[in-house]
Amino acid sequence: SQTIHQWPATLVQPVGSPLSLECTVEGTSNPNLYWYRQAAGRGLQLLFYSVGIGQISSEVPQNLSASRPQDRQFILSSKKLLLSDSGFYLCAWVPHGFHYGYTFGSGTRLTVV
Amino acid sequence: GESVGLHLPTLSVQEGDNSIINCAYSNSASDYFIWYKQESGKGPQFIIDIRSNMDKRQGQRVTVLLNKTVKHLSLQIAATQPGDSAVYFCAEINNNDMRFGAGTRLTVKP
Repeated sequence: SQTIHQWPATLVQPVGSPLSLECTVEGTSNPNLYWYRQAAGRGLQLLFYSVGIGQISSEVPQNLSASRPQDRQFILSSKKLLLSDSGFYLCAWVPHGFHYGYTFGSGTRLTVV
Repeated sequence: GESVGLHLPTLSVQEGDNSIINCAYSNSASDYFIWYKQESGKGPQFIIDIRSNMDKRQGQRVTVLLNKTVKHLSLQIAATQPGDSAVYFCAEINNNDMRFGAGTRLTVKP
């Protein structure tokens, strides 16, 4: 069966520090992968999606970047965190060719201080 | 798809009562709909889905109703339990593109 892993679960980082959040999917090949952010008490904001290795699409201009170095690995990064980067970050996947019916990871709670 | 910058509406119900969570969708061409449940500190989880050729679908204690005329989707939870406390998101799908609704926070009072 397919599973999705996100880590770390929580992270507290100072302003100006770098960020690396990792997401991996098991049990499937060539999935579509997504990064979402959720501010406290708000809805889901799509940040990036990827339909294949090295293919990244960005939905909103921001301080973050994403990379997909391997088929089932999706990384969210920042060179210098801002206070406004605080939030709950969710990774999700669907089989290749689909863009709905996601399976979400358990999320990373990022607090920038 | 995204639901950005919107504070979540809230619904508070007594344990044992039925809950109805509503969602207005935007695209009359959307042909598939999903309800997700997100518990505190966790990722959203699939609850139930419905295609546009149906107006009702039932699961275990949950029912989704679709009114295409007014572009309205609802999730009914029977005999609401404390474990149902969560944020509920609807999602509409059109041509392989999924858009999330703003979400509703359901609080169940003992």
